[in-house]
Amino acid sequence: GIQVEQSPPDLILQEGANSTLRCNFSDSVNNLQWFHQNPWGQLINLFYIPSGTKQNGRLSATTVATERYSLLYISSSQTTDSGVYFCAVGSGGYQKVTFGTGTKLQVIP
Amino acid sequence: GAVVSQHPSWVICKSGTSVKIECRSLDFQATTMFWYRQFPKQSLMLMATSNEGSKATYEQGVEKDKFLINHASLTLSTLTVTSAHPEDSSFYICSAVLNSGNTIYFGEGSWLTVV
Repeated sequence: GIQVEQSPPDLILQEGANSTLRCNFSDSVNNLQWFHQNPWGQLINLFYIPSGTKQNGRLSATTVATERYSLLYISSSQTTDSGVYFCAVGSGGYQKVTFGTGTKLQVIP
Repeated sequence: GAVVSQHPSWVICKSGTSVKIECRSLDFQATTMFWYRQFPKQSLMLMATSNEGSKATYEQGVEKDKFLINHASLTLSTLTVTSAHPEDSSFYICSAVLNSGNTIYFGEGSWLTVV
């Protein structure tokens, strides 16, 4: 099956700093989403971005499908950004996705 | 508001008993739902695909007789962990996709602790 690797696995940021999270996948995909999992386990959908670039407030994402990677940018980080960020990719049937290994982010005041 | 609702959020059960977790799509019909499991500090792993009106499709390594999935209606899928053991303790979460789009919506998740 498709392999999805995320980097870095852990990240500690000072509040206000910027960061870039990366998602590499091993095969062509037609669905890619970024999620934020809060400490209570709830998954929040951030972006549906199988290709191109999108922005939502302090967050933006870019997927280069031909090179099989996606980036999530967090600017002016806040403590509420803490949690685990997952990318999830799908191929073929778009509803079935494989989650990446995750990046655990901790933003400290 | 929530598009997919999951219940219960937390459950503690004794070893050997069975536990049922419900996943409901709110205000839309979901012919297909998905069940994932997440162990501490790990990623989410797909367990099975729940298909309305037919048998679920299980991923390799997932025991279908232990994790019973029933998708009896277009808005409800249930996961029953039978004869639960402490190693079944995990975070279980379901998902569904709106027919009109590609975005996947997840339930709130269920924390299962088997003692």
